[in-house]
Amino acid sequence: GESVGLHLPTLSVQEGDNSIINCAYSNSASDYFIWYKQESGKGPQFIIDIRSNMDKRQGQRVTVLLNKTVKHLSLQIAATQPGDSAVYFCAERTDNYGQNFVFGPGTRLSVLP
Amino acid sequence: DVKVTQSSRYLVKRTGEKVFLECVQDMDHENMFWYRQDPGLGLRLIYFSYDVKMKEKGDIPEGYSVSREKKERFSLILESASTNQTSMYLCASRRPSGSYTQYFGPGTRLTVL
Repeated sequence: GESVGLHLPTLSVQEGDNSIINCAYSNSASDYFIWYKQESGKGPQFIIDIRSNMDKRQGQRVTVLLNKTVKHLSLQIAATQPGDSAVYFCAERTDNYGQNFVFGPGTRLSVLP
Repeated sequence: DVKVTQSSRYLVKRTGEKVFLECVQDMDHENMFWYRQDPGLGLRLIYFSYDVKMKEKGDIPEGYSVSREKKERFSLILESASTNQTSMYLCASRRPSGSYTQYFGPGTRLTVL
């Protein structure tokens, strides 16, 4: 989504619990979304994507849910591990050629031992 | 694995200096991108290139220019660095069709004094 702010939301979860990270997007016509993971000192890394003709998509330990009615996207991480600690952000495609995406500010996930 | 490398991890420059940020990818991708990432904000697109010698302005091109003389290399140029250009700069590449996944470099943290 395109919520802009100076403070990065933080989510703290216990190791082994499930994590849910949320994202609100801005354009009801957006038809493709990506979740990225960015570890400290590294560039963003693709996790999972979803097209608007789907409500749910599953990967390895991750699930993305899309609610087009309220323009909301969520990333669920099962059995959260210390290696999942990172900033997670969503991106919505804004053109038909896939060149332009609007990126959300991100959520910092901290996994507690 | 796709590898996107950036010439420097950390860079300190003075106001008014000309700054070059280099990005190289090894997967023969046609499309390359430059973003800046600031705390609490999403990635913002500065410029992208869809082929050698081709470039398009992104959302925040002011104060920047780019060069794409070879397919694997995309350079970001700050003609006269200013303090408000202190930021993390991320380069990315992707194929022009199929997956919209962008592969990111590790980033260059630029400080302009």
